[in-house]
Amino acid sequence: DAKTTQPNSMESNEEEPVHLPCNHSTISGTDYIHWYRQLPSQGPEYVIHGLTSNVNNRMASLAIAEDRKSSTLILHRATLRDAAVYYCILTLNSNSGYALNFGKGTSLLVTP
Amino acid sequence: KAGVTQTPRYLIKTRGQQVTLSCSPISGHRSVSWYQQTPGQGLQFLFEYFSETQRNKGNFPGRFSGRQFSNSRSEMNVSTLELGDSALYLCASSLAGKGYTFGSGTRLTVV
Repeated sequence: DAKTTQPNSMESNEEEPVHLPCNHSTISGTDYIHWYRQLPSQGPEYVIHGLTSNVNNRMASLAIAEDRKSSTLILHRATLRDAAVYYCILTLNSNSGYALNFGKGTSLLVTP
Repeated sequence: KAGVTQTPRYLIKTRGQQVTLSCSPISGHRSVSWYQQTPGQGLQFLFEYFSETQRNKGNFPGRFSGRQFSNSRSEMNVSTLELGDSALYLCASSLAGKGYTFGSGTRLTVV
């Protein structure tokens, strides 16, 4: 499986934008980029996924580099509830049936 | 809309025993996956079922098994429990093309 690299931790102030980076230099042409997050004492939560184009949903935006070797999850206005571990994961396709290969993720701290 | 339901929430078992965990997916979701989460290894994929068939399996010993019923509910079984099996076991369900929705997990403690 292609590997992803994320910073261990990041810190943000409440109500400011947060850019969470992910490097995936060995990504293949058919790999989808998924982001999940895990709040304390909860199961992971789907955030967003994309293939080549930037994607937006109610939770976040996903910016994918033109060469697809990196991507950035953007939280437009961080809230205290966004404090979580964020995982960037590559999968072979976007349909169900794939295994999510969770790495260590980035622990996001949001301060008031 | 009900989420993914896992039962029981907590379980304490003795080494050598076996355990069965249950997962009820979101209505209409036919894919169910299981994950193990430990402080040392993080989140690791166990297996995935779709329409009662196992489609993918992670790198776990044969003591870990699962099944899915015709109503998409799934169970996972761990036989001959070891101390190292203590973990949070998470179940996730998905509709094709969408992300996975996880349950809150079953916390298994082996003593």
